[in-house]
Amino acid sequence: GAVVSQHPSWVICKSGTSVKIECRSLDFQATTMFWYRQFPKQSLMLMATSNEGSKATYEQGVEKDKFLINHASLTLSTLTVTSAHPEDSSFYICSARTGANVLTFGAGSRLTVL
Amino acid sequence: GENVEQHPSTLSVQEGDSAVIKCTYSDSASNYFPWYKQELGKGPQLIIDIRSNVGEKKDQRIAVTLNKTAKHFSLHITETQPEDSAVYFCAASQVNDMRFGAGTRLTVKP
Repeated sequence: GAVVSQHPSWVICKSGTSVKIECRSLDFQATTMFWYRQFPKQSLMLMATSNEGSKATYEQGVEKDKFLINHASLTLSTLTVTSAHPEDSSFYICSARTGANVLTFGAGSRLTVL
Repeated sequence: GENVEQHPSTLSVQEGDSAVIKCTYSDSASNYFPWYKQELGKGPQLIIDIRSNVGEKKDQRIAVTLNKTAKHFSLHITETQPEDSAVYFCAASQVNDMRFGAGTRLTVKP
């Protein structure tokens, strides 16, 4: 079946630095990918929709300058958390559409900002 | 927009018993209803889904039912096993918009 690969699975960084998370579709092309944020014991919160070759669409309340999304190819979308602060620590998950409405998720990336 | 409510938030059952998780949605235009299982520290995995033109779907020990009139759908797990312990999320979707329930933490006690 379709696989979405996410890297890194966990990352620790110092406050003020930037961190990039990659989301790759393996063996299929994904014109649209989605980025979610998940706090402990909570549901998935959609942050933005990443569209290949165009600007991402951000959900209300998500800072586009803080969370930079690039979808430069049909198999790769990246999320960069810029000038990270401890409150950005979270579990970030990407997904790609693999069928009519069907979403396949990556394994997630746990970000800890010290 | 779509609003999905999920109950219960936690569910504990004895191994071998059945577990039922219920969700309601608000937007009658939603036509796709997946269920995801998320284990600790991992991404959600699709376990079963149903579309609005179907009332029930079964895959081995897992079944999903949909009542479009009442706008609710349910996940049924029979003969539960300890490895079924996880957080389960329901979702309701139209073409470009999927909204998730708050999740149910299922614990299956051996």
